[in-house]
Amino acid sequence: AQSVTQLGSHVSVSEGALVLLRCNYSSSVPPYLFWYVQYPNQGLQLLLKYTTGATLVKGINGFEAEFKKSETSFHLTKPSAHMSDAAEYFCAVALSGNTPLVFGKGTRLSVIA
Amino acid sequence: KAGVTQTPRYLIKTRGQQVTLSCSPISGHRSVSWYQQTPGQGLQFLFEYFSETQRNKGNFPGRFSGRQFSNSRSEMNVSTLELGDSALYLCASRGGTFLRDSGANVLTFGAGSRLTVL
Repeated sequence: AQSVTQLGSHVSVSEGALVLLRCNYSSSVPPYLFWYVQYPNQGLQLLLKYTTGATLVKGINGFEAEFKKSETSFHLTKPSAHMSDAAEYFCAVALSGNTPLVFGKGTRLSVIA
Repeated sequence: KAGVTQTPRYLIKTRGQQVTLSCSPISGHRSVSWYQQTPGQGLQFLFEYFSETQRNKGNFPGRFSGRQFSNSRSEMNVSTLELGDSALYLCASRGGTFLRDSGANVLTFGAGSRLTVL
């Protein structure tokens, strides 16, 4: 069975600083990987996804993530944090289209002015 | 096009009651999934329906059930509510066919139904 570990339930950065949210997965086969963002009182919105091909994936709002098979990681980064990035971020993994997404516990990002 | 619509957005029930939540997927999407979100357990998968058939089921007791209609709209029901059922219930839809490997198909989530059990 697959699983996802997000290191750090809460990350705080200064506005303009690098954002790094960590995600490690366990999977017996090459997985599909996703990052979602959730703003207060809203559902989840897709930031980016990795399925096959290029290991560096670019998403919306300046976010990107790199799939590193050797490290079983899919960390999310953004060069410069903006106040509007404050939200909860979820990493998720799926083995195929026929299996449900398994989510990590989430990381709450705070951005300090 | 319209997104995933969940109703009601907020509701309050008492222990022992039952509740029905509704989800209308994006037009053309035939797959609907339900997740329960709580502060302690995070996002947990309840079930997925495709073309009116339950395709996957999470590890929840039988009090949690669902169904899907021919127009792809889905409902989930929780009977004999317990305090621990208080949560945000999220519905998500995706396109593609179930039989093909559609892992690239993305889940689009609704805003959720927040259930409080007193």
